[in-house]
Amino acid sequence: AQKVTQAQTEISVVEKEDVTLDCVYETRDTTYYLFWYKQPPSGELVFLIRRNSFDEQNEISGRYSWNFQKSTSSFNFTITASQVVDSAVYFCALRPPAGKLTFGKGITLSVRP
Amino acid sequence: KAGVTQTPRYLIKTRGQQVTLSCSPISGHRSVSWYQQTPGQGLQFLFEYFSETQRNKGNFPGRFSGRQFSNSRSEMNVSTLELGDSALYLCASSFDSGGALKETQYFGPGTRLLVL
Repeated sequence: AQKVTQAQTEISVVEKEDVTLDCVYETRDTTYYLFWYKQPPSGELVFLIRRNSFDEQNEISGRYSWNFQKSTSSFNFTITASQVVDSAVYFCALRPPAGKLTFGKGITLSVRP
Repeated sequence: KAGVTQTPRYLIKTRGQQVTLSCSPISGHRSVSWYQQTPGQGLQFLFEYFSETQRNKGNFPGRFSGRQFSNSRSEMNVSTLELGDSALYLCASSFDSGGALKETQYFGPGTRLLVL
C-alpha cells in the first residue's frame, strides 16, 4: 500500500521568509512518480512538479526548489522569499505503477504581509 | 489550450436524491480520473477512465459510478445521496501516451456538492 505523510498541517510565515514543506512517502514499488500540487482558495489543484523515482536531482524553478532523497523517502519543497500569493494548501502525491494517485493530507501555508 | 472544465460548479441536493457531474478533459487527453475531497478524509481517488473503460477504482460504495464517452468527456453519478457525500469533486485529465505511470494529471476547478 502507498502512503504519503505531510506531518506539517499549517505553516504561517511573514513575507520574504523562506519556508520548507515536508513530504515523506511509503511504497514497495521501485518505480513511481512524485508530485506537488498547489490548491489556492478557488479550489483547483495546480500542478507544480513531477519527479520519477530514478531521478534524484534536485530542481529549482524560480523561487521554488525541490529536494528528493530516496534514501529517506522524502520529497521536500522549499519556497524562497515567500509572497502573499503563495498562500494556499500544498499537496504531495505519489503515483505507483498501478496508476492511482495517493495524496498527503496537505499543508496550509499562510504568508502574511 | 482550455483546461479541464467541470459542470456544474455548485450543487445542492437532498438526501436520497441522485446527482450527475460532468467533466470535459483537456483537448487530446484520453484519461480522466475523479477524486473526492473532504475536510476529514482529504483527497480520495474514486475512479479512472481511459478509452471509455474503467481502468482503476477506489474504495467507494457502488452508489458512486462513472462513465467515459468516445470524446473522452466523463460523467460521474452518485445515487441515493447521503449527508457524507457533501464534498468537492475534482476531475483530472492526462494525455496518457501508453506509459500511464508518468503522465501528469491536470485538475479542473471541481464541483462543490452539498447534501442537505
